[in-house]
Amino acid sequence: KNQVEQSPQSLIILEGKNCTLQCNYTVSPFSNLRWYKQDTGRGPVSLTIMTFSENTKSNGRYTATLDADTKQSSLHITASQLSDSASYICVVSSFNDYKLSFGAGTTVTVRA
Amino acid sequence: DGGITQSPKYLFRKEGQNVTLSCEQNLNHDAMYWYRQDPGQGLRLIYYSQIVNDFQKGDIAEGYSVSREKKESFPLTVTSAQKNPTAFYLCASSTGGTDLNQPQHFGDGTRLSIL
Repeated sequence: KNQVEQSPQSLIILEGKNCTLQCNYTVSPFSNLRWYKQDTGRGPVSLTIMTFSENTKSNGRYTATLDADTKQSSLHITASQLSDSASYICVVSSFNDYKLSFGAGTTVTVRA
Repeated sequence: DGGITQSPKYLFRKEGQNVTLSCEQNLNHDAMYWYRQDPGQGLRLIYYSQIVNDFQKGDIAEGYSVSREKKESFPLTVTSAQKNPTAFYLCASSTGGTDLNQPQHFGDGTRLSIL
């Protein structure tokens, strides 16, 4: 069964600090890995998409890394802002079909 | 601006009642999806449609039904057969086709609760 595990489940950081979120997956055959940001009560918004040939991709202060060999990804948030408070969801796609496998998300709270 | 509109934002269902959640997109996307989000769990696929007049069951289709009569619309009906319908429902769309690397764009969801 394709699975996506995220850690930690939640974290609290001070404004201006950095943090790193982790994602491990067992999806096979691997097509791509996505990170989404979901604000409370809103729909997820795409941050990055990486295929197996890409090992890093940035979107502003967000940098995602991918190690397709170990099936791990991370999302690094630099110089966090209050607006970064949200749930961050790791999503993995398989070549087999159009379905996506979603992690449960990491809830990030940024405090002033 | 292009996007996905879900309505209503909040919906309450009485026992034995069917309710319909609306999803409209003006992105000219071929593919549309319905997901259910429960606390502490990843999104789960209910139904998806790759093209007008065609749709497929996802992982948790029991108690739900959909139609795809128009490209821009993909309504979801939560029937009385769905015994635990309280959740946050998300509609998404993508360009579809054979390019699996396109992102899915999401609406802002409908929160369904039981009266």
